[in-house]
Amino acid sequence: DAGVIQSPRHEVTEMGQEVTLRCKPISGHNSLFWYRQTMMRGLELLIYFNNNVPIDDSGMPEDRFSAKMPNASFSTLKIQPSEPRDSAVYFCASSHRSFGAGELFFGEGSRLTVL
Amino acid sequence: AQSVAQPEDQVNVAEGNPLTVKCTYSVSGNPYLFWYVQYPNRGLQFLLKYITGDNLVKGSYGFEAEFNKSQTSFHLKKPSALVSDSALYFCAVRDRGNAGNMLTFGGGTRLMVKP
Repeated sequence: DAGVIQSPRHEVTEMGQEVTLRCKPISGHNSLFWYRQTMMRGLELLIYFNNNVPIDDSGMPEDRFSAKMPNASFSTLKIQPSEPRDSAVYFCASSHRSFGAGELFFGEGSRLTVL
Repeated sequence: AQSVAQPEDQVNVAEGNPLTVKCTYSVSGNPYLFWYVQYPNRGLQFLLKYITGDNLVKGSYGFEAEFNKSQTSFHLKKPSALVSDSALYFCAVRDRGNAGNMLTFGGGTRLMVKP
């Protein structure tokens, strides 16, 4: 099993640029989550999907953030325009909603630096 | 509503000594409980979970956790700490009645094991 795959692992960009982070969940999982981790705020849930449908996006900080899941094997998190305060590690995680306790499996993260 | 508290930001222990990382939770119903570990520049890795049954749960890398319903706690333990156990540890909870499959994470506890 390849696990959750995220790309890019590192992204450095300038303020105002568009950033797109990508995630491939574990095959067969039907829930997908985007988290953000910073030293100041810890681990924050941004949005999650069940069966490709966004269920709760209350954690998305601003309209500059958007997330899509066009199919069961791919999701994107987009920031447009990016700001320095968006610098963080962004994690994608997946789980099977109806199997087991619903533990999450995380990708290795995308470290974003906005200059 | 569900919540998790990890009262210690950091735990220091000498190599070879037993370790405990504390976690308390609050749910309206019965809980699923989880522990995750995060090594530097890595994603969160699933360690163990409590679903039902035996209150002592064994997981990866020699870790175990004890579910205590009366104290609403799920402390992580290991009989003999290794330097390589130094990492960030997260406790998480999900209410069994939470159809949305959302986990709530604690703020994390940094474990430092000194030689």
